[in-house]
Order: sequence, then structure tokens, then C-alpha cells
Amino acid sequence: KAGVTQTPRYLIKTRGQQVTLSCSPISGHRSVSWYQQTPGQGLQFLFEYFSETQRNKGNFPGRFSGRQFSNSRSEMNVSTLELGDSALYLCASSQGSSGSGGTDTQYFGPGTRLTVL
Amino acid sequence: ILNVEQSPQSLHVQEGDSTNFTCSFPSSNFYALHWYRWETAKSPEALFVMTLNGDEKKKGRISATLNTKEGYSYLYIKGSQPEDSATYLCAPRGADTGGFKTIFGAGTRLFVKA
Repeated sequence: KAGVTQTPRYLIKTRGQQVTLSCSPISGHRSVSWYQQTPGQGLQFLFEYFSETQRNKGNFPGRFSGRQFSNSRSEMNVSTLELGDSALYLCASSQGSSGSGGTDTQYFGPGTRLTVL
Repeated sequence: ILNVEQSPQSLHVQEGDSTNFTCSFPSSNFYALHWYRWETAKSPEALFVMTLNGDEKKKGRISATLNTKEGYSYLYIKGSQPEDSATYLCAPRGADTGGFKTIFGAGTRLFVKA
């Protein structure tokens, strides 16, 4: 079974631009979560999508948005980039059944390294 | 789930040493605790998922315990090997409006010297 894929792997943008990152989950997985990692910080939760609906959201400004398509692929968009948005962005997929009681294992992609100049 | 603390932040051991790390978290509204291993230049990889029942998990030389009442988990590595060098992340997962949210600790960075 193919793993979680993310594109692009590396990206360089300038302040004020916008960026779209893509995540393809493991086949059959319906939940996709996005995380940001900056130096010295743990993984910060951005949002989770399940069946094309945002199911949960972290404490990030509205410049960060996402969506999920009917095939479970997800995109994350950051508008008006700031220097502080430079980070590794990871997505993780899981089966996402709410009945799992939180025991759903998340499988992570390789990440997209975003640098904002 | 607001704050997850992991200690120590980093650890240097010799090959063959046994070691352990701590994860502490608020125990209310939490459903499960996940441990992940993150090697440099790779993706985080799931090690264990532990539930409210306070179960103990083991995978080879690595084991974990969970105390749900007091809100902490220990990860043990017996006879550390250089290939164990990685960042170990603890991630409680709890109920939030509309679903579940996973909060990650900052991790414990383990260096095993041959």
C-alpha cells in the first residue's frame, strides 16, 4: 500500500505571496490532518478534514486554510505569507472513524519544507 | 488537552544503556496516548497507541506505560542501539468539538553513541 505523499517537498516563497500544499492520503483513509513544525517547537496542529469537512481546527490565523476533495486528497493554503510561516508542514492520514475513540493511528507524509524570504 | 510536556528534552547515552523518557499531560478529556518515533530525514512513525485502561505496550526493546489518573506516560528503551537515535514524540489524543484532536509534545531527542 502506498504511503502518504506530499507535494511539493520543498518550496521557497517571498513575503506576501500565497502557497498551496498538497497531501494524498493512504488509500482508504478518510481523515487528513495538517501540522506545522518550526525549530524548537513540537508539531502544532493546524486542522483535520474528514469526508470533505473540516472536523477540527488548531489556533492558527485565518490565513491558513484547507480543503479536502471527494477522493480524500487534501490541500492546505497559506495566504499573505510571513517570515514566521517558514516551517516543515506535515500531513497525516488515518481511517478517521469517530468510533475509534481516539486510537486511530496517524500515518505521516514526508512533509513540505516551506521557506519564506 | 492544552499542554503536553516531555522530559528530558535531549538525552545522550552509550550503546547498551537503558533509558526512559517521560510524557505528562492533563488527564481530562483525553482518550488515548500515542507514541511516535521520528528519525532525521524521515516521517514520524507510530510506535504505540495506549488507551484509558492504562495498558502497557511492548515492541522489541521498547516499552511504554500509561498512568491515566495522574496523567503521565513513560517510554523505556532497553539496551539502546545507535539505530534508536531519533526524536520520540508523545501525543495525547482527546475529544474536541466535532472530533478528536492530537496534541504533540516537543519530543525527547535521543542520541545513542556506539
